[in-house]
Amino acid sequence: KQEVTQIPAALSVPEGENLVLNCSFTDSAIYNLQWFRQDPGKGLTSLLLIQSSQREQTSGRLNASLDKSSGRSTLYIAASQPGDSATYLCAAPAMDSSYKLIFGSGTRLLVRP
Amino acid sequence: DADVTQTPRNRITKTGKRIMLECSQTKGHDRMYWYRQDPGLGLRLIYYSFDVKDINKGEISDGYSVSRQAQAKFSLSLESAIPNQTALYFCATSALQDQPQHFGDGTRLSIL
Repeated sequence: KQEVTQIPAALSVPEGENLVLNCSFTDSAIYNLQWFRQDPGKGLTSLLLIQSSQREQTSGRLNASLDKSSGRSTLYIAASQPGDSATYLCAAPAMDSSYKLIFGSGTRLLVRP
Repeated sequence: DADVTQTPRNRITKTGKRIMLECSQTKGHDRMYWYRQDPGLGLRLIYYSFDVKDINKGEISDGYSVSRQAQAKFSLSLESAIPNQTALYFCATSALQDQPQHFGDGTRLSIL
């Protein structure tokens, strides 16, 4: 059964700092892994999807990596800005007939001006 | 316009009422999902559908029903709402299992 864990649960950094958010998953036979951003009370914005055949995916200041063998993914945010403050969720598909997403509990990020 | 649209965005209702949440998508995806999000519990799957004639229960389907009226529309109903169904509800779509899921903005449902 797929389980997804995110560390840390919360993170507070000064503006301009580079930071890494961690995600681990138990079933490495995944097709892909997806990172989302959620602002308080709002919907989920898909940030990056990494296919199982990829090791990295980049979008602007965001870079996500995937290491299936170790069951880990990281989201790197370069030169953080106050507008990056949000909860970041990673999600891996359940490798059953539903292919539902199994979400981690998220990392709540605060970037201080 | 959003690719995945959920209506209503917010709803407050009373215990025992029947409620329908609607989801429509313009992405042309076959796969549609309904999740609910509760603080501390993350997102959990309620129902999913891979085709107009295909309906499947998720892990927390009790108290809910769905209808896939067309490829683009997937509705979630609470037949007799109860307070512990207060949550943020999300609809999602995807093309294939190795493709990303795209989420609507959510419906915040409060049951008094």
